[in-house]
Amino acid sequence: EVQLVESGGGLVQPGGSLRLACVASGFTFSNYAMSWVRQAPGEGLEWVSAISGGGGSTYYADSMQGRFTVSRDNSRSILFLQINSLSGEDTAIYYCAKDADPDYYGSGSHFFDYWGQGTLVTVSS
Amino acid sequence: DMQMTQSPSTLSASVGDRVTITCRTTRSVNKWLAWYQQKPGRAPELLIYKVSSLNKGVPSRFSGSGSGTEFTLTISSLQPDDFATYYCQQSNMWTFGQGTKVEIK
Repeated sequence: EVQLVESGGGLVQPGGSLRLACVASGFTFSNYAMSWVRQAPGEGLEWVSAISGGGGSTYYADSMQGRFTVSRDNSRSILFLQINSLSGEDTAIYYCAKDADPDYYGSGSHFFDYWGQGTLVTVSS
Repeated sequence: DMQMTQSPSTLSASVGDRVTITCRTTRSVNKWLAWYQQKPGRAPELLIYKVSSLNKGVPSRFSGSGSGTEFTLTISSLQPDDFATYYCQQSNMWTFGQGTKVEIK
């Protein structure tokens, strides 16, 4: 059974940093690109970042460039998101999500068949 | 930047109604269009991918269609479990639409 479990959220002061983690199980982690998607309170889904299965390629939403860093540890099946210089606009639930197609399909398609339960990041003084 | 616009933003309907949600993109996305359902307090769930392919376990009352820049999600007969928010996604560039909330009329 595929499971994605996020952690690392919490209350952080403006200007602070956080490192989110997503522990994956139930599939061959290194075969799949992974993404982070966030959702501010009462708002819609916003894709944040993605990383290829091998970790060699990373992608960011235009508005996320510079403060966000995605990485992964395939030996431990963990996805990470480092967020720096946090502001109130970063307050959101952060979900990790698994690509449905493995990288070796070469489909270029990034729809998500499994999501974690999310971890809440609250930025406030 | 690719923009994705869903309509309507909110839809009021009754059990048994046929419901259609539209997603328009500013550029053609070929077959790279997915739909998700999200219920309050829950993570989104994949309903449809590649425009019209139903994810496993999704009831057949859900269907997707369209091409190019205009796509639709149809629920043929709305059930109590279907009241939720629905998002389209351009799945080769990750972008989501703003969502359509389906409410009880």
